[in-house]
Amino acid sequence: DTEVTQTPKHLVMGMTNKKSLKCEQHMGHRAMYWYKQKAKKPPELMFVYSYEKLSINESVPSRFSPECPNSSLLNLHLHALQPEDSALYLCASSPWGQSSSGANVLTFGAGSRLTVL
Amino acid sequence: AQKVTQAQTEISVVEKEDVTLDCVYETRDTTYYLFWYKQPPSGELVFLIRRNSFDEQNEISGRYSWNFQKSTSSFNFTITASQVVDSAVYFCALSEKRDDKIIFGKGTRLHILP
Repeated sequence: DTEVTQTPKHLVMGMTNKKSLKCEQHMGHRAMYWYKQKAKKPPELMFVYSYEKLSINESVPSRFSPECPNSSLLNLHLHALQPEDSALYLCASSPWGQSSSGANVLTFGAGSRLTVL
Repeated sequence: AQKVTQAQTEISVVEKEDVTLDCVYETRDTTYYLFWYKQPPSGELVFLIRRNSFDEQNEISGRYSWNFQKSTSSFNFTITASQVVDSAVYFCALSEKRDDKIIFGKGTRLHILP
């Protein structure tokens, strides 16, 4: 079983809907990440939370809104998405916060596959 | 800027053959980390190995081995006696000390044929 749990596994939404993706880890990790992965492409970093504070936003459109309620939970709120936002959204966590070391090993969840109609 | 190149987009080999996945990287930092991740059809990326820029020792883990050569900026991955379960997309990745962001290569899709 994966140690990073993402729900839902699949989500279909219209462009006017509001939905959320959820991610949970219980490994005591202090950094959590959202990645977006289009088909046959590598994961692209969206957001990083370090010690529950947003530390990196890779210029993601405001229709994606991250939230970290506590060190174990990470949400991605979705609103007014476009069809081109359809992708696999991967959550990951790592033991240390954004530490400027480069050594963090990421543990990934299985992803939430989002389809925007 | 950092960059990771995996020139092999897709490879197919017959089971039990050995296969090497190539990875070439670019960085201006002297301190950096290299990774390999496996992504099976289920979608979850699985960590395989991490090497830091000061440790050029090759590593072997079961049927997997890694060859890190700073002189050619390469970090290649070899699977010996491949198995069907090795079929997946494999990503090489680089993280620099200064910003701690992992940059993935485009991946190599590996098909192991029975």
